[in-house]
Amino acid sequence: DIQMTQSPSSLSASVGDRVTITCRPSQSISSYLNWYQQKPGKAPKLLIYAASNLQSGVPSRFSGSGSGTDFTLTISSLQPEDFATYYCQQSYSSPYTFGQGTKLEIK
Amino acid sequence: QVTLRESGPALVKPTQTLTLTCTFSGFSLSTSGMCVYWIRQPPGKALEWLARIDWDDDKYYSTSLKTRLTISKDTPKNRVVLTVTNMDPVDTATYYCARSGRCSGGSPGDLDYWGQGILVTVSS
Repeated sequence: DIQMTQSPSSLSASVGDRVTITCRPSQSISSYLNWYQQKPGKAPKLLIYAASNLQSGVPSRFSGSGSGTDFTLTISSLQPEDFATYYCQQSYSSPYTFGQGTKLEIK
Repeated sequence: QVTLRESGPALVKPTQTLTLTCTFSGFSLSTSGMCVYWIRQPPGKALEWLARIDWDDDKYYSTSLKTRLTISKDTPKNRVVLTVTNMDPVDTATYYCARSGRCSGGSPGDLDYWGQGILVTVSS
């Protein structure tokens, strides 16, 4: 199985900050990496697919980059509604594992 | 408009079999490239991928749970069913179904629509 390691596990930041979350798979997954945002009590929401493609309707302050074994999700200027938990997921091969999540909290 | 909704029991006893149904609309699982996933999330913990079924009836399972999971589809009724045998309290979780419209070879396999989830508690 491909293990997905996210860092940090939690992060405190302020509105307006630039934030970067990293996801590292245990083996190369090309660009088969997706990012999701989850708020408490809600289903996850797709933000980025195929490493760097912004899902329709997602604000442009979200961006993704990387390939192989090193990926990042960047939020260019944090907004109050961005405080949530973020997950990466590989869709390269079954089982299609998720990272352990990064909880983004208000400083 | 794509929607998915999970249904099933909220409470099961240890050793019982859980049967969950995902009923969807706005797409067909007979369409090439479509697939439906099941994912679960124990309270306060991370997402865990469980299973996937494709438009062509290919099936994929979690390595750690594959002996206990069965996924199937009823294409005319727009349903996907997941069964989990021998339930244990550690299987207490919110179970989600989700769709990808890009599951064919070389496609991203991203989950663009999710159900609201169903909390299943395992307790005697």
